[in-house]
Amino acid sequence: SYELTQPLSVSVALGQTARITCGGNNIGSKNVHWYQQKPGQAPVLVIYRDSNRPSGIPERFSGSNSGNTATLTISRAQAGDEADYYCQVWDSSTAVVFGGGTKLTVL
Amino acid sequence: QVQLQESGPGLVKPSETLSLTCAVSGYSISSGYYWGWIRQPPGKGLEWIGSIYHSGSTYYNPSLKSRVTISVDTSKNQFSLKLSSVTAADTAVYYCARQPTVVTPYDYWGQGTLVTVSS
Repeated sequence: SYELTQPLSVSVALGQTARITCGGNNIGSKNVHWYQQKPGQAPVLVIYRDSNRPSGIPERFSGSNSGNTATLTISRAQAGDEADYYCQVWDSSTAVVFGGGTKLTVL
Repeated sequence: QVQLQESGPGLVKPSETLSLTCAVSGYSISSGYYWGWIRQPPGKGLEWIGSIYHSGSTYYNPSLKSRVTISVDTSKNQFSLKLSSVTAADTAVYYCARQPTVVTPYDYWGQGTLVTVSS
C-alpha cells in the first residue's frame, strides 16, 4: 500500500517562511493536495494538484512536488496559519491516501 | 453553494453497525462526481474510509473494506455509510465530502459528526 510521511510538527517564527514536507515513493508522479485543519473544524483545501491555489487562499500558500517529496510553503507566516496540515494523493493500488498530518506552530 | 451535512447516532454499542447519512444540497448527486467518507479519531489524523461514484460504483480503504458499505440514494440526494462490528477504535469524527474525480481533491466537506463507540 502507498504511504505518505509528514513531520509531526513544524515551527516557524512570525513573518518567516514555513515548509511542510510530504514524502512518498515517486510522489512527483502524482497529484498532491494539501488541506489545512483548525481545531474543531473540517479540513479546508489550500493547494491542489501540487501547486494550485483555490480561490480565497492567500498567495502566501504555495506548493511544489518533485521526486519523492512534495512541499507546502507558507510565506510570511501569520498566527492564523497555526493549524494541522495534511497532504493527500490518489494511488492506483490504495486509492485515497492522507499523510499523517503536521502541526504548524507560529512562534 | 454546495453543502454537505452528516447525520446519524452519536453513540453506537460495540459489535453493532454504525450508520451515517450525508445530505447534499446545492448540487445533484446524479449529475456526477465521487462522494466520500473520511474519519478522524480524537487527536489523530485523517483516515479515508471509502467513496462512491454517482452511478453507484464504490471503492474502499483496504483496511476497512470487509466492514464498510457505502450507498447512494439519488432520489433523496444523499449517500450513506455503514460500518459493521464496531469497536472503540472506530470512535471518531466522521466527515462526508465531494471529490470531482479520483485525482482531484475533496473540495466540499461536511462539518463532521462525532460517533462514539461505547456500551
